[in-house]
Amino acid sequence: GQQVMQIPQYQHVQEGEDFTTYCNSSTTLSNIQWYKQRPGGHPVFLIQLVKSGEVKKQKRLTFQFGEAKKNSSLHITATQTTDVGTYFCAGVSGATNKLIFGTGTLLAVQP
Amino acid sequence: GAGVSQTPSNKVTEKGKYVELRCDPISGHTALYWYRQSLGQGPEFLIYFQGTGAADDSGLPNDRFFAVRPEGSVSTLKIQRTERGDSAVYLCASSLRQGYNEQFFGPGTRLTVL
Repeated sequence: GQQVMQIPQYQHVQEGEDFTTYCNSSTTLSNIQWYKQRPGGHPVFLIQLVKSGEVKKQKRLTFQFGEAKKNSSLHITATQTTDVGTYFCAGVSGATNKLIFGTGTLLAVQP
Repeated sequence: GAGVSQTPSNKVTEKGKYVELRCDPISGHTALYWYRQSLGQGPEFLIYFQGTGAADDSGLPNDRFFAVRPEGSVSTLKIQRTERGDSAVYLCASSLRQGYNEQFFGPGTRLTVL
């Protein structure tokens, strides 16, 4: 079945450093979404990418969807302690509306 | 406005028992999803409702799991003959309509099967 992998599993950075997580799907996606889950919390929607090669920015966060619509990345510039949490990509494939979540990247930020 | 609510927040049960988990979606949201999340993993899709009907139940692990949404609003996930491996956080999410893909998640129900 469809699989969505993320690397790294865990990243520890000093506050102010940059952070990137990468997402790869085994199949072509119709769109990809990114969610953030704080420790003990539930996933919160960040953004959706639909077009091949699309790049979107939200303040310090930059999201990119690959040309083949099988991979994506999230880059955070100058991390802050409020960025702590697990970042999940989630792929939508074909006609279904279900999300296939990636394995997640846990970000720890040391002040 | 109110977000997605789930009850109970925690449920402890014994192996072999029956449990029901409830989800109250955001008012007006026609699409409703159930996911299961184990520790350290991403949410795993279980079932998707569009209105009252289950549009995709391909994620239900076996026939012990069943979900209903009789009036197109509140949904109940039912697990029969619970097993220790069913222990997880069960998340419910809703979205405005089919094809509008941003999903709003509830706080989840933590199920522990002893």
